[in-house]
Amino acid sequence: EVQLVESGGGLVQPGGSLRLSCAASGFTFSTYEMNWVRQAPGKGLEWVSYISSSGSTKYYADSVLGRFTISRDNAKNSLYLQMNSLRAEDTAVYHCARGADTFDNWGQGTLVTVSS
Amino acid sequence: EIVLTQAPATLSLSPGERATLSCRASQSVSSYLAWYQQKPGQAPRLLIYDASNRATGIPARFSGSGSGTDFTLTITSLEPEDFAVYYCQQRSNWPPFTFGPGTKVDIK
Repeated sequence: EVQLVESGGGLVQPGGSLRLSCAASGFTFSTYEMNWVRQAPGKGLEWVSYISSSGSTKYYADSVLGRFTISRDNAKNSLYLQMNSLRAEDTAVYHCARGADTFDNWGQGTLVTVSS
Repeated sequence: EIVLTQAPATLSLSPGERATLSCRASQSVSSYLAWYQQKPGQAPRLLIYDASNRATGIPARFSGSGSGTDFTLTITSLEPEDFAVYYCQQRSNWPPFTFGPGTKVDIK
C-alpha cells in the first residue's frame, strides 16, 4: 500500500523558516516524480513545487520562488520542503503528492501556521 | 498560466440523483485534465485522469468527458460517500499545474 506521511509543520513567526518532510513507503520512491501541494484553510488546492525522480529538475510556483526549496533523499525514501521567509499567506496544509503531472497518491498533510 | 473555472460552486442533490460538474479552461488543455475528490479532513483522491480515464479503484458511477476547454465530471447515481468537494486540474501547460476552485456537492 502506498503511504505518504508528512511532518514538520507548526506555528512559525513571519520571516521564519520550517522544513517539511514526507516519508514514502509501499512503492519504489526513487522512480517517481513528487510534488508539494498546499491548501489554505477553507480554500482550494495550490500546487507549490515539483521534483524529478533523480532530483535534478525542480519547479516552483511564482508565489514561493526564491523562498522555498524542494529536495529528496532517495536512499531514505523522503521528500523535503525547506520554507524560508515565511509569510502569513503561506499558512496552509501542505500535502506531498506522487506523480509527474497527475497526482495519484497524496499524504494527509501537515499544517503550517505563520503568525505572530 | 491556464486558469480553470468550475461550475456550479455548490450543487445540492439527494442520494440517487445524477450529478453533473463542469470545468472550463482559459485555453485548450487537450485531454490533459484530471478530477479529484476531497472529503473534509482528508487528502484529495484522484478520480479521473486524462479527461475520461478512471483511476484505480474508482467506481464506474464516476465518468469524465470533454476535451479542449470544456470538461464534465458525471456521477450517475450519488451514494452517501460521494458528498464532497471536487477539483479539476490541468497538466497541459506546466509549470504551474493549476486547479479549479472546486465544486461542493452537498446533500439537499
